[in-house]
Amino acid sequence: QKEVEQNSGPLSVPEGAIASLNCTYSDRGSQSFFWYRQYSGKSPELIMFIYSNGDKEDGRFTAQLNKASQYVSLLIRDSQPSDSATYLCAVNFMIYNQGGKLIFGQGTELSVKP
Amino acid sequence: DAMVIQNPRYQVTQFGKPVTLSCSQTLNHNVMYWYQQKSSQAPKLLFHYYDKDFNNEADTPDNFQSRRPNTSFCFLDIRSPGLGDAAMYLCATSRDKRQTLAKNIQYFGAGTRLSVL
Repeated sequence: QKEVEQNSGPLSVPEGAIASLNCTYSDRGSQSFFWYRQYSGKSPELIMFIYSNGDKEDGRFTAQLNKASQYVSLLIRDSQPSDSATYLCAVNFMIYNQGGKLIFGQGTELSVKP
Repeated sequence: DAMVIQNPRYQVTQFGKPVTLSCSQTLNHNVMYWYQQKSSQAPKLLFHYYDKDFNNEADTPDNFQSRRPNTSFCFLDIRSPGLGDAAMYLCATSRDKRQTLAKNIQYFGAGTRLSVL
């Protein structure tokens, strides 16, 4: 059973702080990792993807991947109230002759307090 | 703008009355996915089309069917909706090649919220 685990939260941070979201996955062969943001009642929106060990930065967002530890994280610097949402970690699993499919974690609810 | 479009945004149906949800895309992606997402839960993959090949998840109920008449369109049919089928249904697309390292970046439509009365 392929699994993706996240702390459900809620994670509460003050405006301007760094929010740190964590995710672990079970399949050591996974190669593609994604963070989606989902506002209440809306569909998931891709904010970051990462394929290689290390850090990947995009504006206020940094994704970190450690394949040896099967761990991926998302840091949000200078958090804003508009960042308040559920953050979904997703891991791509390759299925022979079917392409890839994403397995999602249950999401971490982030609340940024003004 | 190229995008994934789902219709309708909100659908109300009666218990047991068949319903069809639609998804169209202008991205020319070869893979299309249908997810079910219930409140405070992760999106759950129901099935996906890899080009014309249909791939059903093992735990997807028989009540759920899908059609992909061409590259651009994909439909989700719920033959006899039950109260437990009330959820957000998400369509996603990706460009995927079996022969290469699959990035599988998926782009989601806005979703259809289904209510069952």
